[in-house]
Amino acid sequence: EVQLVESGGGLVQPGGSLRLSCGASGFGFSNFAVSWVRQAPGKGLEWISYINSGSGNIIYYADSVKGRFTISRDNAKKSLFLQMNSLRAEDTAVYYCARLAPGYYYMVVWGKGTTVTVSS
Amino acid sequence: DIQMTQSPSTLSASVGDRVTITCRANQSISTWLAWHQQQPGKAPKLLIYEASSLESGAPSRFSGSGSGTEFTLTISSLQPDDFATYYCQHYNSYLVTFGGGTKVEIK
Repeated sequence: EVQLVESGGGLVQPGGSLRLSCGASGFGFSNFAVSWVRQAPGKGLEWISYINSGSGNIIYYADSVKGRFTISRDNAKKSLFLQMNSLRAEDTAVYYCARLAPGYYYMVVWGKGTTVTVSS
Repeated sequence: DIQMTQSPSTLSASVGDRVTITCRANQSISTWLAWHQQQPGKAPKLLIYEASSLESGAPSRFSGSGSGTEFTLTISSLQPDDFATYYCQHYNSYLVTFGGGTKVEIK
C-alpha cells in the first residue's frame, strides 16, 4: 500500500525549532517529487515547500517560510524532512507531506499529517 | 501569484442532490487544475486532475470541467461520504495555491 506517515510534531515555544519527518512506503520514493502542505486550525491548505525527485537539488519555498524552514530528503531511508526554525504562532498547523504526480505539481498521495503548535 | 477563488464557501444539500462547486483563477491556468476532498479530521484526497480527469479509485459521480480561468466540480448524486470540504488547486507552476475551500453540509 502506498503510504506517507508524518512524525515529529508537538508543542514548541515561539522562536524554537522542530524537525518533521515523513516516511514513505509502498512505492519508489526516490522517483517522486514531494511537498509539504500545512493547514492552520479551521483554515484552508497552504503549500510551503517542494523538493524534486532523485538528488533533491531543486527546492522551492513559500515566502511565508523562506529563510526559516529547510526541506531535505534521504532516499536511502525513504524519508522527507522539514527543519523548522524561528517558529512563530502563525506556524501552528497540521503539516502534511504529499507525493506529487510525475512531472507535475499536484498532490496525488497525502500523509495523515502531524500537528505543530507554537505557543508559550 | 495566481489566486484561486471558490464559491460558494458553504453549501447545504441533501443525499441524492446534484451539487456544483465553482473555482476561478485570476489568470489563465489552461487545465492545470486539481480538486481534493477533505473529510472532517482527515487528510485531503485527490479526486480530479487536469481539470477533468478522474483519479483512479475516485467515484464516477465526481466530474470536473473548465479551462482557462473558470472550473467546476460536480457531484451527480450526493452520497453520505461526500459531506466534506473540497479544495481546488492550480499547478501552473511550482508555486501552487489552493482555493479557500467549499464545505458541503447536510441540509
